[in-house]
Amino acid sequence: NAGVTQTPKFRVLKTGQSMTLLCAQDMNHEYMYWYRQDPGMGLRLIHYSVGEGTTAKGEVPDGYNVSRLKKQNFLLGLESAAPSQTSVYFCASTLGTGGREQYFGPGTRLTVT
Amino acid sequence: AQSVTQLGSHVSVSEGALVLLRCNYSSSVPPYLFWYVQYPNQGLQLLLKYTSAATLVKGINGFEAEFNKSQTSFHLRKPSVHISDTAEYFCAVSDLQDGGADGLTFGKGTHLIIQP
Repeated sequence: NAGVTQTPKFRVLKTGQSMTLLCAQDMNHEYMYWYRQDPGMGLRLIHYSVGEGTTAKGEVPDGYNVSRLKKQNFLLGLESAAPSQTSVYFCASTLGTGGREQYFGPGTRLTVT
Repeated sequence: AQSVTQLGSHVSVSEGALVLLRCNYSSSVPPYLFWYVQYPNQGLQLLLKYTSAATLVKGINGFEAEFNKSQTSFHLRKPSVHISDTAEYFCAVSDLQDGGADGLTFGKGTHLIIQP
């Protein structure tokens, strides 16, 4: 099992450009999440999904969109990147609620200049 | 919304020493609590979790944590640390979202440095 994988690992964007981050999991998990990690801030929840075809907003959703067209994939989109979106993005997945472990991907380091 | 406070953004101890990383949470109901570890340039790995069973929870790599409801704390400790324990440690609480998923609310992290 590869677990949770993320593509790409690194990316540099100019302000105003768009991009999509891909998260894939091979554990048949229903729930998937996108977090961002900023220095001294811990991780913050951007969006999440409770199953194929569903998405919902987390703590810091502004400037991002997501899609879950297939159960194993969760895409995070930036339509018009801003320097404030420079961060490390982590995807996670889990079987369900009730204190189950979330499994994290290796992260995508995004820099917006 | 839940919140998590980790006291001490940086902790430095000698190899073989006891280490205690502090975590306090805010919750009106018994929570699910987690400690995750992040090694340099990697994702997060679960160390241990509390899900309302025993108050002393044992995890991987010799770590353990004690849930204290009256003090709303979930401190992490290891009796004898190793150089390889150098990493960032995050305390997190499960936060049920409006859409029905358990998002995690994280503390700001504690960078643990083990000195040889």
